Amino acid sequence: TQLLEQSPQFLSIQEGENLTVYCNSSSVFSSLQWYRQEPGEGPVLLVTVVTGGEVKKLKRLTFQFGDARKDSSLHITAAQPGDTGLYLCAPGQGGSEKLVFGKGTKLTVNP
Amino acid sequence: KAGVTQTPRYLIKTRGQQVTLSCSPISGHRSVSWYQQTPGQGLQFLFEYFSETQRNKGNFPGRFSGRQFSNSRSEMNVSTLELGDSALYLCASSIGTLNEQFFGPGTRLTVL
Repeated sequence: TQLLEQSPQFLSIQEGENLTVYCNSSSVFSSLQWYRQEPGEGPVLLVTVVTGGEVKKLKRLTFQFGDARKDSSLHITAAQPGDTGLYLCAPGQGGSEKLVFGKGTKLTVNP
Repeated sequence: KAGVTQTPRYLIKTRGQQVTLSCSPISGHRSVSWYQQTPGQGLQFLFEYFSETQRNKGNFPGRFSGRQFSNSRSEMNVSTLELGDSALYLCASSIGTLNEQFFGPGTRLTVL
């Protein structure tokens, strides 16, 4: 079982600010997934990164996979209230492996 | 394509009772996983079914069980409910080697 640490645990910012959240482990991942969960709903897959050093952009969200494939970051530019939610990361594995999620970063963007 | 559906959305039970939750995956997805989410422990893996067989299991007591039917729909059962079983129970289906999870809205279980 691969343990994931996400930081910070909580983050409260004003609309328009930039922020970065992190997902770290001592293990090497074949890939890594990011999800966002809004209150009362299930998590929604945002992106999967698969190559060390890979950068993926999704509108104002930028995801980076570490060169050694042990860590990842999510950067949000000009945060909006709609970005509020719980951001979770999980190592993507082959279909035969169970998925272990980090505890997440709870982001609140205040208008 | 319809998303993952879970029923019921809300459930209130008392200690000692049992409960059955249902999940219908996205059409064509053969893997269904179940998770328990609580504020203290986060999102924890319960078990995964693939083609009617349990493929993986998390660290939960035997009171938690599940099954999958030939149409990929899945159910999970919790027997002898305890107060600590109060949680959001999420079902997710997946397809492909990256195991990307597509979650349903969850069932909020409250045990009194």
